[in-house]
Amino acid sequence: GAVVSQHPSWVICKSGTSVKIECRSLDFQATTMFWYRQFPKQSLMLMATSNEGSKATYEQGVEKDKFLINHASLTLSTLTVTSAHPEDSSFYICSARGSGAGSYNEQFFGPGTRLTVL
Amino acid sequence: AQTVTQSQPEMSVQEAETVTLSCTYDTSESDYYLFWYKQPPSRQMILVIRQEAYKQQNATENRFSVNFQKAAKSFSLKISDSQLGDAAMYFCAYRSFQAGTALIFGKGTTLSVSS
Repeated sequence: GAVVSQHPSWVICKSGTSVKIECRSLDFQATTMFWYRQFPKQSLMLMATSNEGSKATYEQGVEKDKFLINHASLTLSTLTVTSAHPEDSSFYICSARGSGAGSYNEQFFGPGTRLTVL
Repeated sequence: AQTVTQSQPEMSVQEAETVTLSCTYDTSESDYYLFWYKQPPSRQMILVIRQEAYKQQNATENRFSVNFQKAAKSFSLKISDSQLGDAAMYFCAYRSFQAGTALIFGKGTTLSVSS
């Protein structure tokens, strides 16, 4: 299958600072990217959906001013956690889907980024 | 809105045995996809199997098969000849046919495999 990378794989930051997480589709063009958040032993919760060149659509309860998502190209999306606080500590997973003939396009997942805010 | 329910937080199985993980979902749509994903300790999401709702035949992938009951909105995963490497968290997921829609996940089932 196609490959999605995330960088960094883990990051520790101080409270009040901002952290940027990159998500790249390495061998396909991702017209849609998704950002999920996962707490330990829990499910993946969708944070937002972004289409290349458009503003992200955030799920209810997700602060768009806190979690800035940019999908500037067909291979790169970034999630910036602004003014991070300890409660933002979590595992963030990006996922990407291309476009093509037919209705089914597989959604590929990155390896995730563990964020710890001190 | 669509919902996915996994009622078994934890399951266990012995090597070489068979185990079935349950999943139910709720939707008003007639066309959609259903998935089972595996998340091992590495936390990398791995697609196990996919089912298109318009297909009556149950999907199979080697030791993995599903029992898809559209009218009952049930989508269970059967793992045959369980192996130690099958130990992971398993998520049932739903996706609409509409372009650009995201996967909706159930809460997951943690599967342990003993030798």
